[in-house]
Amino acid sequence: DVKVTQSSRYLVKRTGEKVFLECVQDMDHENMFWYRQDPGLGLRLIYFSYDVKMKEKGDIPEGYSVSREKKERFSLILESASTNQTSMYLCASSLDVGGPNTGELFFGEGSRLTVL
Amino acid sequence: SQQGEEDPQALSIQEGENATMNCSYKTSINNLQWYRQNSGRGLVHLILIRSNEREKHSGRLRVTLDTSKKSSSLLITASRAADTASYFCATGNTGGFKTIFGAGTRLFVKA
Repeated sequence: DVKVTQSSRYLVKRTGEKVFLECVQDMDHENMFWYRQDPGLGLRLIYFSYDVKMKEKGDIPEGYSVSREKKERFSLILESASTNQTSMYLCASSLDVGGPNTGELFFGEGSRLTVL
Repeated sequence: SQQGEEDPQALSIQEGENATMNCSYKTSINNLQWYRQNSGRGLVHLILIRSNEREKHSGRLRVTLDTSKKSSSLLITASRAADTASYFCATGNTGGFKTIFGAGTRLFVKA
């Protein structure tokens, strides 16, 4: 059974803290993504990666960085958490790019981050 | 930037009724997908329809795509209380990595 696992379902952090959100997939997918989800705004892409050590900015990369040292793992880093980064963070992976199935995503269960 | 826009934002129906959700998008696409999200959980992929397809079925789900109108609809037939969730359309764009999501339709099915 295919799986995307996010390390923490719920986190509470203080303003200014460094936050790591970890995501692991077991499907040997090339592509991995981090989205944040906020009420009324849908899912917004923060960063994605199409290969180990490769990363691309999404629509809202400010205040975030990512790391992909291994194919199966994609980490989202908040260098200095702020209250406006309180959100649900969703990791996803996909196999096919540029073809007719481009974009079919497999999601983790999400990490709900609260920054106080 | 949001590509898909769902309509309605929220829908409440009785068990056994059909639920129809609509999605409009702005640019050319490779495919359009529908996802489901139970409260507080991740998204689950339901169905993908390619840009050269007009209709697709999966169990109680029926998806249509009209590329001339840049719109899609998701029909859930004979709804059940367990169908209560948020439903999102998402577009996979030509040649790109990005899947872009709309804000979703919240469906509530009353038993």
